[in-house]
Amino acid sequence: EDQVTQSPEALRLQEGESSSLNCSYTVSGLRGLFWYRQDPGKGPEFLFTLYSAGEEKEKERLKATLTKKESFLHITAPKPEDSATYLCAARMNTGFQKLVFGTGTRLLVSP
Amino acid sequence: GAGVSQSPSNKVTEKGKDVELRCDPISGHTALYWYRQSLGQGLEFLIYFQGNSAPDKSGLPSDRFSAERTGGSVSTLTIQRTQQEDSAVYLCASSYAGGSEAFFGQGTRLTVV
Repeated sequence: EDQVTQSPEALRLQEGESSSLNCSYTVSGLRGLFWYRQDPGKGPEFLFTLYSAGEEKEKERLKATLTKKESFLHITAPKPEDSATYLCAARMNTGFQKLVFGTGTRLLVSP
Repeated sequence: GAGVSQSPSNKVTEKGKDVELRCDPISGHTALYWYRQSLGQGLEFLIYFQGNSAPDKSGLPSDRFSAERTGGSVSTLTIQRTQQEDSAVYLCASSYAGGSEAFFGQGTRLTVV
């Protein structure tokens, strides 16, 4: 069964304390790995798409990386405004276009 | 429009009533998705449209749920005879065809009382 698992469920950091969020996937052929940020009461906001192992993408304090079995979202020197839930999703190479989501990591960055 | 628009943003309905949720996708996006997010849960796939066709309806939880899309644009998700377990945030997303990134609307928060 296609599955996406995120860890940890919740993470509390001090401002400036770098860390990584993990997304592991077991899908029948990966057609794209997506990271989203979701603030309370809002829809997910697109961050990155990764398509092949070894690929990396960066945006401000965030960097996403991809291996054959997992993806990491590295947060460097986070700020309180980075507090949100980070969602990872996989699109498979078979069948149709749906994204299979993990349950997310709730990140809280304290000043 | 600039983004995916959903209406209403909030809906409170009585158990047993029918509700319709609307999604206006980004102009030019041929793919449209509906997801459901319950409190503390991940996003649950409901249905996928390519144009006006729905090749993947595998996530619709029961025959009380249906969706349509007209003119390759607006989509409506209909829930008949609502139940309390239908309470959730219903999210719509759209994308270009071919596996590109999907952009989400703000969601409709449905509360069944």
